[in-house]
Amino acid sequence: EAGVTQFPSHSVIEKGQTVTLRCDPISGHDNLYWYRRVMGKEIKFLLHFVKESKQDESGMPNNRFLAERTGGTYSTLKVQPAELEDSGVYFCASSQVSRGNEQFFGPGTRLTVL
Amino acid sequence: AQSVAQPEDQVNVAEGNPLTVKCTYSVSGNPYLFWYVQYPNRGLQFLLKYITGDNLVKGSYGFEAEFNKSQTSFHLKKPSALVSDSALYFCAVSRGGSYIPTFGRGTSLIVHP
Repeated sequence: EAGVTQFPSHSVIEKGQTVTLRCDPISGHDNLYWYRRVMGKEIKFLLHFVKESKQDESGMPNNRFLAERTGGTYSTLKVQPAELEDSGVYFCASSQVSRGNEQFFGPGTRLTVL
Repeated sequence: AQSVAQPEDQVNVAEGNPLTVKCTYSVSGNPYLFWYVQYPNRGLQFLLKYITGDNLVKGSYGFEAEFNKSQTSFHLKKPSALVSDSALYFCAVSRGGSYIPTFGRGTSLIVHP
């Protein structure tokens, strides 16, 4: 089966611009998660979707971040306007309860804000 | 709050030697413990997990980890390292019943030929 895919793999933008990251989970996985790793630090949880509903968005840093999962398939994470501290690697993961809820991660999107 | 400490930013080991990547955790209640590996330009790959049962957990690629409740540790081990094991390793913990983990900072494992 195809794994979790993320687009783009890299993005370089200037402070104040908008960027949208996309995640395509494994087909049939109801759970979708977003994480972020700032260089050299921990991978931090951002939010969790169950199908199209936000189950837990306690990790979202502020209201400049907007995540959507219309139709319960792919998800987007929009940063508007981007700030320097938003730079990092954004990971997406998906899981299915019937398969032990093990999270399968995508390759990540490396975001650089200049 | 839960937390994970990976005290070593980098571990160096010669090929063929045993390796250990250390992890200690803090969580209320029973922990779910995980190890993930990230190869260059790849996503995180699941290696193994401890939920309950035997303290010694065996995972992918010959790795194993031992859950030590008294020391709140979950060190990753492999008897004989391969150059191809060189990667970034993340330990993670979640509170029992939750599958949203808190990750450590990661440890870079470098296996020298």
